[in-house]
Amino acid sequence: QVQLVESGGGVVQPGRSLRLSCGASGFTFSSYGLHWVRQSPGKGLEWVASISYDGSEKYHADSVKGRFTISSDKFKNTLYLEMNSLRLEDTAFYHCARDRLGAASSSGGIDYWGQGTLVTVS
Amino acid sequence: SYVLTQPPSVSVAPGKTARITCAGNNVGSKSVHWYQQKPGQAPVLVIYYDSARPSGIPERFSGSNSGNPASLTISRVEAGDEADYYCQVWDSDSNHYVFGPGTKVTVL
Repeated sequence: QVQLVESGGGVVQPGRSLRLSCGASGFTFSSYGLHWVRQSPGKGLEWVASISYDGSEKYHADSVKGRFTISSDKFKNTLYLEMNSLRLEDTAFYHCARDRLGAASSSGGIDYWGQGTLVTVS
Repeated sequence: SYVLTQPPSVSVAPGKTARITCAGNNVGSKSVHWYQQKPGQAPVLVIYYDSARPSGIPERFSGSNSGNPASLTISRVEAGDEADYYCQVWDSDSNHYVFGPGTKVTVL
């Protein structure tokens, strides 16, 4: 079965960096677009970044552009989110998620989500 | 940037019908996806491409996007349908994914 397991969250001071990882299993990693979606406690879903099946397309939300970078390693079946210059408002659960489609420049809907890893900037 | 608008809350009696709207500029030209999220759980895709249902989602869930707004309809509402519901689109002008603010469905 499809599994997405995030790791790397924790407590970090403002201005510091953190790298999140998402281990994927149960599907052909290099066939699907992948996303990072975050959710602050008690708040709604916020899209963070997306990457296409082959890594050729990457998109980032305006709120993180220039600070966060999405990447993937098809040999390790792992999705990453490099987060630099962290701000208080970046505090949230970060979910790794799989799109039904392979491209990042469209969306077929997100059919699998990880449980998330908590990043606290304080 | 593209913005989606949803009502903050919808209340419905068991067995009745709940309709959740999702408004945005020219949303009818976009594909709308809907997610259900219960407390402490990851979201679940309930409708994709405006009206398609993933396997395992009851037929009571249906979607429409023939104009503005798009909508998610839950028929014969059950207590287990109580959750937050989010709409989502891909905005090709900005190359951004956009989520609506979410609607809390309360079953009376």
